[in-house]
Amino acid sequence: GAGVSQSPSNKVTEKGKDVELRCDPISGHTALYWYRQSLGQGLEFLIYFQGNSAPDKSGLPSDRFSAERTGGSVSTLTIQRTQQEDSAVYLCASSFPGQGRTEAFFGQGTRLTVV
Amino acid sequence: GESVGLHLPTLSVQEGDNSIINCAYSNSASDYFIWYKQESGKGPQFIIDIRSNMDKRQGQRVTVLLNKTVKHLSLQIAATQPGDSAVYFCAERQNSGYSTLTFGKGTMLLVSP
Repeated sequence: GAGVSQSPSNKVTEKGKDVELRCDPISGHTALYWYRQSLGQGLEFLIYFQGNSAPDKSGLPSDRFSAERTGGSVSTLTIQRTQQEDSAVYLCASSFPGQGRTEAFFGQGTRLTVV
Repeated sequence: GESVGLHLPTLSVQEGDNSIINCAYSNSASDYFIWYKQESGKGPQFIIDIRSNMDKRQGQRVTVLLNKTVKHLSLQIAATQPGDSAVYFCAERQNSGYSTLTFGKGTMLLVSP
């Protein structure tokens, strides 16, 4: 597709359930980012993938959070045993690093509500 | 003037005014900076970028200024329009894209007609 695609756009889950959020980056972009944004807040970094390098997981808030990126393209963010404080918009972005314009392009996000 | 909104600082201006949004970044090693605009219910969208070897860059109605000495970035919007109402984030990165993008806290811009 032309842009970053995230699914689902909205997800309501019960506390304690596991959820998977999907991100399809822009074709050819080797870098992929996950961020979390709570209501009225800024963007909290979660995890960063760059090509075949080991991902930067330094932003993951707990071991309930994990992410993978298969084949250097699609990424899945998994939250196990969801808690109410996990409710937020989860944003994915992709970019192509280099010397030129290397901004990250964002998807529309997945709004997660844990009830 | 500025006031503290829900959680974000807020800048309220009249249509036609010039707006200046400020950002203090954290890493002196950052070499690339971006301003994003985020409208309600949408992901952030690119506005303008600047590399650390520059101190000013202009786009259409927007200008970004970079002061590396004090690690300060600003976004100037000329002739602000109601459609400019959004949350604005600055972001920094180091190593020409081979590292994550770190975002500032954001400023909400409210433009009154």
